[in-house]
Amino acid sequence: GAVVSQHPSWVICKSGTSVKIECRSLDFQATTMFWYRQFPKQSLMLMATSNEGSKATYEQGVEKDKFLINHASLTLSTLTVTSAHPEDSSFYICSARDSPFNEQFFGPGTRLTVL
Amino acid sequence: KNQVEQSPQSLIILEGKNCTLQCNYTVSPFSNLRWYKQDTGRGPVSLTIMTFSENTKSNGRYTATLDADTKQSSLHITASQLSDSASYICVVSAENYGQNFVFGPGTRLSVLP
Repeated sequence: GAVVSQHPSWVICKSGTSVKIECRSLDFQATTMFWYRQFPKQSLMLMATSNEGSKATYEQGVEKDKFLINHASLTLSTLTVTSAHPEDSSFYICSARDSPFNEQFFGPGTRLTVL
Repeated sequence: KNQVEQSPQSLIILEGKNCTLQCNYTVSPFSNLRWYKQDTGRGPVSLTIMTFSENTKSNGRYTATLDADTKQSSLHITASQLSDSASYICVVSAENYGQNFVFGPGTRLSVLP
C-alpha cells in the first residue's frame, strides 16, 4: 500500500508553545488529507479534513484557530497546535487519499506531550 | 445517525487459539467496510476492505465477513500469535459522507503465551 509519514513521531513541549506536525504522502499525490486525534484506549476522532489549496474543514468542537492546518502541496499537510496546553496531549494521526474513491492510508502517528 | 459498534471491548486469548470480533453499524447508505489493526502507539494498518456485494474476504490468518442485510461484520483470527495483540478497528464509509470514515471504538486483543 501507499506510504504516509509523519514527523516528528513524538514531541514534548512546554505549555503555551506551538508545535507543528507534518504529514507526507511519500509515493502518491493526496488531494485530501485527514487529521485525527486519539486519546488513550479510545478510537480515532476526526479533527479536520484538509484539501490541497483550500481551507480545511473542521469537525464540530474543534477550534480552527488553535489547530491550524495547511495543505499547500499534494504531498504535504501540516497541523500546528498553537498555544498548547496539557489537555492537548494526545496521539495525532493523519491519513491521505488521492481521490474520493481510493482508500485512506494512515500515518504512524505523532505523540504530543504538553508539560 | 451513522454509528459503528464493536464487541467485545477487550479480549484475552492464549497463543494459538482462534477468536472472532464483531462489528455492527448503522451507516447508510453503505459504501464499504474496513477492518484495521492498530498496534499501540502506531497508526492503523488496513487488513481487509469489503463492498456491499462481498460476503467474505481473507488476508492471511484474518478473515472478515459482511452481512449487509443485518449490517454486521466479523473478523476471525486463526491460530493467534503474540504479534496479534493490538486494537482492531471496524470502519465504515457512507456513500454520501464524502468517503469519510465512521470509526468503531475498537476491540483490544491481548494474546498471551
